Amino acid sequence: ETGVTQSPTHLIKTRGQQVTLRCSSQSGHNTVSWYQQALGQGPQFIFQYYREEENGRGNFPPRFSGLQFPNYSSELNVNALELDDSALYLCASSLETGYGYTFGSGTRLTVV
Amino acid sequence: SQQGEEDPQALSIQEGENATMNCSYKTSINNLQWYRQNSGRGLVHLILIRSNEREKHSGRLRVTLDTSKKSSSLLITASRAADTASYFCATETYNNNDMRFGAGTRLTVKP
Repeated sequence: ETGVTQSPTHLIKTRGQQVTLRCSSQSGHNTVSWYQQALGQGPQFIFQYYREEENGRGNFPPRFSGLQFPNYSSELNVNALELDDSALYLCASSLETGYGYTFGSGTRLTVV
Repeated sequence: SQQGEEDPQALSIQEGENATMNCSYKTSINNLQWYRQNSGRGLVHLILIRSNEREKHSGRLRVTLDTSKKSSSLLITASRAADTASYFCATETYNNNDMRFGAGTRLTVKP
């Protein structure tokens, strides 16, 4: 069984640009959540998708948006990048909430 | 906003000793989970304990949950150098679909 795969692993963008991060869920998992983790902090919940519908959102502005596809893979899009968006972005999948999550290795985004 | 708060922020022990980390949270929960993270990479799920459970074991890990005190503890017995990592607690509530993490405990196990 494959785990959660995220791409790219590292990315450098300029302030004001847009970025798309990708995530392939673990086989059979229909729920995917995205997290932002700043250095030395715990992960912060961005949003969750369940069967292609947004199923919860954290305290992030609308320039953070997402998609989940029929195969349950997912994208995180961030528009108008700001320096504070520099962080590790983690994708996590689960069969359903309440069963624990499998995390990907993350995408390290640096905004300059 | 973060729900869980881990204590201590950092812990350094010798190989073979036991490590205890604590987590406190603020609201009623459905379950509480513990994760490990090595060197700022992905998190690894260790154990999930539901609100109606008081204790759970998995190998060298023992987790307790006290819902009256809104707290949990993670005990790692007979620690190894490979246990060196950051440990996070995370809570899920009945009403929300977000899993909220604390800031973590940085555990260093010296060989």
